[in-house]
Amino acid sequence: DIVMTQTPLSLSVTPGQPASISCKSSQSLLESTGKTHLYWYLQKPGQSPQLLIYEVSNRFSAVPERFSGSGSGTDFTLKISRVESEDVGIFYCMQTILLPYTFGQGTKLEIK
Amino acid sequence: QVQLQQSGPGLVKPSQTLSLTCAISGDSVSSNSAAWNWFRQSPSRGFEWLGRTFYRSKWYHHYADSVSSRITINPDTSRTQFSLQLNSVTPEDTAIYYCARGMNFFDPWGQGTLVTVSS
Repeated sequence: DIVMTQTPLSLSVTPGQPASISCKSSQSLLESTGKTHLYWYLQKPGQSPQLLIYEVSNRFSAVPERFSGSGSGTDFTLKISRVESEDVGIFYCMQTILLPYTFGQGTKLEIK
Repeated sequence: QVQLQQSGPGLVKPSQTLSLTCAISGDSVSSNSAAWNWFRQSPSRGFEWLGRTFYRSKWYHHYADSVSSRITINPDTSRTQFSLQLNSVTPEDTAIYYCARGMNFFDPWGQGTLVTVSS
């Protein structure tokens, strides 16, 4: 199975400040088609996960521009340019290049 | 707008079968472009993909090795829903179970069902 490793596991950020989460995979997520199957989800308290970013860097519908994704191969980053109070929750990276699909451990974002 | 609504018991006895249903509105379980998945989330195991079913001229089923001997995911085309059955459950199967639509990324998700395995 592909192992997804996120750092840090928790973040405490002042509103308006940036935040960054790293996700590393145990093998490349680049497919022969050129797509890289790395996705970011946010699970807000008491809710189901919601898709933020697909294929490394594409914001899903209605996702605010303050969220951005980057990376390639096995190293990926999610950045929030200016954290807002509504961003509280747990962020997960996920790979879907190989079954079984696997998640990172999650990064819990708290607001200072 | 596609929506998924989960139903099923929240308490299952050890050695029995966990059964959940995910009702689909706004799409079809027989869609040629969608796949229908089950996940679970627990403090000890984190987020875990369990399996999926999808139709591409015939039905396909894929399961995680960790549960492959105990799991069945079935489409119900007459009711536009799909189900999860997990046999011979133990307390280790206690988790929040989610259904979700997607092949490579997942949206929408069901609301989640906390299933506790306990006598």
